[in-house]
Amino acid sequence: AQSVAQPEDQVNVAEGNPLTVKCTYSVSGNPYLFWYVQYPNRGLQFLLKYITGDNLVKGSYGFEAEFNKSQTSFHLKKPSALVSDSALYFCAVRAQNTGGFKTIFGAGTRLFVKA
Amino acid sequence: GAGVSQSPSNKVTEKGKDVELRCDPISGHTALYWYRQSLGQGLEFLIYFQGNSAPDKSGLPSDRFSAERTGGSVSTLTIQRTQQEDSAVYLCASSEGLLGANVLTFGAGSRLTVL
Repeated sequence: AQSVAQPEDQVNVAEGNPLTVKCTYSVSGNPYLFWYVQYPNRGLQFLLKYITGDNLVKGSYGFEAEFNKSQTSFHLKKPSALVSDSALYFCAVRAQNTGGFKTIFGAGTRLFVKA
Repeated sequence: GAGVSQSPSNKVTEKGKDVELRCDPISGHTALYWYRQSLGQGLEFLIYFQGNSAPDKSGLPSDRFSAERTGGSVSTLTIQRTQQEDSAVYLCASSEGLLGANVLTFGAGSRLTVL
């Protein structure tokens, strides 16, 4: 069965500092991995995804994520946080080889960036 | 349409009543998903439809929940005999089919409050 763990309910960071939002996953076979963001009073938006190839994936708004197969992790990172990055972030996984499209999301991590 | 449309945006109902939530996916998207987001919780997978295949209902929490998708487009999620624990935001998403790496596009959600 697929599962996603986001071990931190909340991450606090000062503006201008680097940020990391952690995600680990469990899936049979190779994974598709995704990050989505939910800004206050707005719907969920796609941020970036890993399919195959380069382990470092770059996405919208300066975010990037690193796929680590041995650690089954897909942590979200940004070199310099902005106050406007404050939002709820979700990691998601889908198995490549099941023939289905079931996408499982983590519990979410709330990011607070302080000015 | 240009995006995923959900209605109603807000629904307040009394315990024991039935409710129907509607989702109109992006035109041409063959995959459609329902998720539930409770306060302080992550995204809970409910059900997904892919083309003419049998839906994956593995996430439906009880037999009070059902969903259908007519003509491969609009979907309705029905909750019978609502309970207070059903209060949540119900999110619909759609994606292009057949490629597992396809991104989900979410609607704004239907907020259900059961009194």
